[in-house]
Amino acid sequence: QQQVKQSPQSLIVQKGGISIINCAYENTAFDYFPWYQQFPGKGPALLIAIRPDVSEKKEGRFTISFNKSAKQFSLHIMDSQPGDSATYFCAASAAYGGSQGNLIFGKGTKLSVKP
Amino acid sequence: DAMVIQNPRYQVTQFGKPVTLSCSQTLNHNVMYWYQQKSSQAPKLLFHYYDKDFNNEADTPDNFQSRRPNTSFCFLDIRSPGLGDAAMYLCATSSPGGSDEQFFGPGTRLTVL
Repeated sequence: QQQVKQSPQSLIVQKGGISIINCAYENTAFDYFPWYQQFPGKGPALLIAIRPDVSEKKEGRFTISFNKSAKQFSLHIMDSQPGDSATYFCAASAAYGGSQGNLIFGKGTKLSVKP
Repeated sequence: DAMVIQNPRYQVTQFGKPVTLSCSQTLNHNVMYWYQQKSSQAPKLLFHYYDKDFNNEADTPDNFQSRRPNTSFCFLDIRSPGLGDAAMYLCATSSPGGSDEQFFGPGTRLTVL
């Protein structure tokens, strides 16, 4: 129940295309859903995050779509650029309970954007 | 700039030789986390401190210990590193009641020979 399932494992997109990464969760106590971007040899950096009270959040070329009833959320990268090539992790955490604030990560998606 | 700093960035140790990794933060955050990340895998939480309260994940091996002498610093001690402990070790901080964001350091790449 603590798992966050992420797909696909890898993704190749042409420059200018749309990259879509999906995540699903089971624990209805989760109330914070961030996406982290990680470049090789670097620590993860927060890209964008959403809470269950909204169905979509957009920041520049990055959009999170959230479906509370389906317990799914996704990251859309519009106009994908070669500089977006990185590994993307979805995550979830709950504000309350024994694991308060602890992030549960998906397994990651390696995105390659071809010029 | 406020940040999370990890030293060293690269650490090589021998099988069974104790090693200590350090993390410092200028964010004044209450919570500090240690993660282990192996190649092509997600970060795996080892333990975290909420102020001085230590919280160990159930599956964290006894070989891993941690110290937090003050708000700014946190250490990861690996008492007897095995070949399977070679990984990137990430430190992160957060401030409950704030944005819930965890701020990650650049990591320490540990090699065990």
